[in-house]
Amino acid sequence: QKEVEQNSGPLSVPEGAIASLNCTYSDRVSQSFFWYRQYSGKSPELIMSIYSNGDKEDGRFTAQLNKASQYVSLLIRDSQPSDSATYLCAVASGSARQLTFGSGTQLTVLP
Amino acid sequence: DTGVSQNPRHKITKRGQNVTFRCDPISEHNRLYWYRQTLGQGPEFLTYFQNEAQLEKSRLLSDRFSAERPKGSFSTLEIQRTEQGDSAMYLCASSFRTSGGAGYNEQFFGPGTRLTVL
Repeated sequence: QKEVEQNSGPLSVPEGAIASLNCTYSDRVSQSFFWYRQYSGKSPELIMSIYSNGDKEDGRFTAQLNKASQYVSLLIRDSQPSDSATYLCAVASGSARQLTFGSGTQLTVLP
Repeated sequence: DTGVSQNPRHKITKRGQNVTFRCDPISEHNRLYWYRQTLGQGPEFLTYFQNEAQLEKSRLLSDRFSAERPKGSFSTLEIQRTEQGDSAMYLCASSFRTSGGAGYNEQFFGPGTRLTVL
């Protein structure tokens, strides 16, 4: 059973709109949550980390965490065509803090 | 460039051959991870080093796979007797464990080595 689930894509939004990406996880003791962006053929790039319930904003990106619901989300405001990529949700667990990833949501921002 | 580096970037090999990949982490990072990613999936954890000690191995890491991190610096991942199912992107990530607290452990990935087994 997959431990990290992401909303199935692909997701298309028009330029300037808000893109909303969702993720749920099964391990209740997880403490660290991450969003990575991955362009086609490239490696994952860390864009947001969140550890406490609530919202965390960084530029056009806002991560939201609700540990009671085991839910993490990423909002991208004023979406740009350059935001078109696959977004991976990752949860750290275990003594090694290894990351468990979702399968990713492919986002396309249409000009 | 002070990021994570990996070599080679691409490797094509024939089934049954051995291959070795290298990862150079960010210099002050004491944690090093190997992941494997296949098309359409997120990366999957393979193994973890803290300094030179290999502390965690995934069930995905069969006995044909071996990893080392001599002197706690660079790491190598070797695959013996490669199989077509080994074709994937092999990713290395590093992080710095902060003392105390939760050790939040943001992991930064290298560019990966894409392995194709014919």
